[in-house]
Amino acid sequence: AAGVIQSPRHLIKEKRETATLKCYPIPRHDTVYWYQQGPGQDPQFLISFYEKMQSDKGSIPDRFSAQQFSDYHSELNMSSLELGDSALYFCASSWGLAGGEQYFGPGTRLTVT
Amino acid sequence: AQTVTQSQPEMSVQEAETVTLSCTYDTSESDYYLFWYKQPPSRQMILVIRQEAYKQQNATENRFSVNFQKAAKSFSLKISDSQLGDAAMYFCAYRSNYQLIWGAGTKLIIKP
Repeated sequence: AAGVIQSPRHLIKEKRETATLKCYPIPRHDTVYWYQQGPGQDPQFLISFYEKMQSDKGSIPDRFSAQQFSDYHSELNMSSLELGDSALYFCASSWGLAGGEQYFGPGTRLTVT
Repeated sequence: AQTVTQSQPEMSVQEAETVTLSCTYDTSESDYYLFWYKQPPSRQMILVIRQEAYKQQNATENRFSVNFQKAAKSFSLKISDSQLGDAAMYFCAYRSNYQLIWGAGTKLIIKP
């Protein structure tokens, strides 16, 4: 079965640079979620989109922005990167909103030097 | 605000035996969803099992089952016939609106 695809899988950036992470949901899934997981921590919710509209917002820094496109893929744009942004970034997708289980992609490991 | 607590940072079990991981949560909502996710060393986040709060019957998925006590706000995961491949971090999660609220995780070690 098709899974959530994230690209790139690994990314190394320097401080103050910009990064773009991409997420391709499972076919027919209309909702996308972004999470950030630091080393040894539980995931932290950043933002979600349903039918291309922002549906919920968590602890996403103002330096980050995201959107969902007409083909339901999503991009997380991160600017003015800081050392503390180094983490594993997960994208998850689900069908619909109410209670649908979220299926996670393999994550993008971002390292900021 | 909803919170999820996993009080066991680490658990170990002998291969082929049974282990139970604990999770408690706090919420004022009456209808919600609870999940257990597994994160092996590859760090892929894998859905293990889901429980809908309005269902009294405990969810089961092969060797994985839950003990859902709504009044006590408890949601434990039982793994039967533990296998080496079960070694991972296990996260309990509560679905609030669109986001998942996570516990701190329990590291499960399987002894051969």
